[in-house]
Amino acid sequence: QVQLVESGGGLVKPGGSLRLCCAASGFTFSDYYMSWFRQAPGKGLEWVSCIDTSGSYIKYADSVKGRFTISRDNAKDSLYLQMSSLRAEDTAVYYCARDLDVVVGGAHFDGFDIWGQGTMVAVSS
Amino acid sequence: AIQMTQSPSSLSASIGDRVTITCRASQGIRSDLGWYQQKPGKAPKLLMYAASTLQSGVPSRFSGSGSDTDFTLTISSLQPEDFATYYCLQDYDYPRTFGQGTKVEIK
Repeated sequence: QVQLVESGGGLVKPGGSLRLCCAASGFTFSDYYMSWFRQAPGKGLEWVSCIDTSGSYIKYADSVKGRFTISRDNAKDSLYLQMSSLRAEDTAVYYCARDLDVVVGGAHFDGFDIWGQGTMVAVSS
Repeated sequence: AIQMTQSPSSLSASIGDRVTITCRASQGIRSDLGWYQQKPGKAPKLLMYAASTLQSGVPSRFSGSGSDTDFTLTISSLQPEDFATYYCLQDYDYPRTFGQGTKVEIK
């Protein structure tokens, strides 16, 4: 079935690095923009980053710019988030999501229709 | 960054009630808005995109309206499975930004 499965989370010390992976199955991964989101414990949702189908168009939230790198391997149906210089405030559940990129009346709209189950990243000494 | 302000932050309602959640953008965003439902410990679920287009498989008791800066999510008759937190998300510009969420609880 159509699904996304994240992995790579864990406990890391401040200043450390971690690489998250999101494995896609059940759909043509290379056809879709993909995004990372996160949710700190007890808090709301935050968009982190997105990448287009080829990996050439990338955007980041200001809070992670220069520290996080999004990438994808369409041959492996996988999305990645390389996180470095991690801070306590990066502690969160990280989700990957597929963007439908729906066209309505000639205009493009995001619609994150498939989400992974989330992977927890804890930054603490 | 575009700020999204949701109200109320929480509400209590009964089964069968009509529930309305609003989201206001700090600048005009056309109809570039989605609504998401999230239950505890679960990933968000897409309800609506383009402000008023129902995602496939979402019950018709959910509806969305609005454009420019003011948007509304309405649940016409609240069901037990609708108790959750709801978020709006603007996709007009980067960075994408969410409202702070509205928790719908049982009265």
